[in-house]
Amino acid sequence: DAKTTQPPSMDCAEGRAANLPCNHSTISGNEYVYWYRQIHSQGPQYIIHGLKNNETNEMASLIITEDRKSSTLILPHATLRDTAVYYCIVADMEYGNKLVFGAGTILRVKS
Amino acid sequence: KAGVTQTPRYLIKTRGQQVTLSCSPISGHRSVSWYQQTPGQGLQFLFEYFSETQRNKGNFPGRFSGRQFSNSRSEMNVSTLELGDSALYLCASSLWGQGWEQYFGPGTRLTVT
Repeated sequence: DAKTTQPPSMDCAEGRAANLPCNHSTISGNEYVYWYRQIHSQGPQYIIHGLKNNETNEMASLIITEDRKSSTLILPHATLRDTAVYYCIVADMEYGNKLVFGAGTILRVKS
Repeated sequence: KAGVTQTPRYLIKTRGQQVTLSCSPISGHRSVSWYQQTPGQGLQFLFEYFSETQRNKGNFPGRFSGRQFSNSRSEMNVSTLELGDSALYLCASSLWGQGWEQYFGPGTRLTVT
């Protein structure tokens, strides 16, 4: 079973920041937080991951709370092409690459 | 660099038949994972191969099997197909097996009639 809780859907205006929350209150010390997204009819796309520090790459920023029980994915300037299902996943990758996907959050970016 | 490729992209089979799906990972990637996606169950992990060895297995019946070759290419096989096996089958590759991002292919859409 997925170890994360995400809102089913969110809307965001084009050009604004999209902030997608994720709760993972049972996360253990060895588990990373991963974010993937799936645009309709395509395979999931890796966005970003982190352990306990905030992370930023060319696509997004990941903010992890100090107690690691929740995180927020930030898309700084959302575009229509960011409309997708966003999955927050916690996983201990020490022994493999098994990802347990939940239902995710449907993000709709509107003009 | 070429992405993950999966063949065939679409497949129609009849109940009771078997099917083999193929996945070519990104060059240099050694880990290949397989996932099944259905409207009802979402994305579910099938199994992962690393250096030709199955390292993780999801909760699927023995009809679902896979293998990985020395060049990291992978195949999965489903025997005695059932209507419920109709799904999008996704393959993902990763450089190593520990905490690296996975790159997904476009998937194979299997329809069982």
